[in-house]
Amino acid sequence: KQEVTQIPAALSVPEGENLVLNCSFTDSAIYNLQWFRQDPGKGLTSLLLIQSSQREQTSGRLNASLDKSSGRSTLYIAASQPGDSATYLCALRGRGSTLGRLYFGRGTQLTVWP
Amino acid sequence: DTEVTQTPKHLVMGMTNKKSLKCEQHMGHRAMYWYKQKAKKPPELMFVYSYEKLSINESVPSRFSPECPNSSLLNLHLHALQPEDSALYLCASSLLLYEPLHFGNGTRLTVT
Repeated sequence: KQEVTQIPAALSVPEGENLVLNCSFTDSAIYNLQWFRQDPGKGLTSLLLIQSSQREQTSGRLNASLDKSSGRSTLYIAASQPGDSATYLCALRGRGSTLGRLYFGRGTQLTVWP
Repeated sequence: DTEVTQTPKHLVMGMTNKKSLKCEQHMGHRAMYWYKQKAKKPPELMFVYSYEKLSINESVPSRFSPECPNSSLLNLHLHALQPEDSALYLCASSLLLYEPLHFGNGTRLTVT
């Protein structure tokens, strides 16, 4: 069964810092990987999707990378802002019979203070 | 603004009540999902519908009964719930099973 781990569990940084959130997984047979943010008591907002054949995706200040051989993905946030404060979750979609399932990590709770 | 709409936003129900959660999307997505999320935990998959047919049931207790009456609508019928079922219930949709998921804002359910 796919196991997804996110490190660190929590991160508190001053505004303006560049930061990296990590996601590791045990089974490299994935279809794609999706990064989400979740604000307290709200649903999940999709940030970036990386297909299995891709190495990275960028959107604004966000850059996500994927290295299947090492079972790792990173989310890079440039010039962090207080509005970036949220929980960030990575989720992997499996292949074949597991195609309908997303395997979530437990998330990184990010606080950016002014 | 989310394109997946969930109602109600909040629900408080007793253990003998019957209630339903509703989820609607008009993006033409053919896969719809129910997730349950407890505080400080990731979402847990409950059910997946693909082309209005139940594709995955993650061994969810029968007190939760999903229904997909058409391609835009997904319901979750609740009956005889337990206090430990209190959680945020999230609906999601995707164009097809392997496409990115779009989540609603959830229904906060409290069982008393």
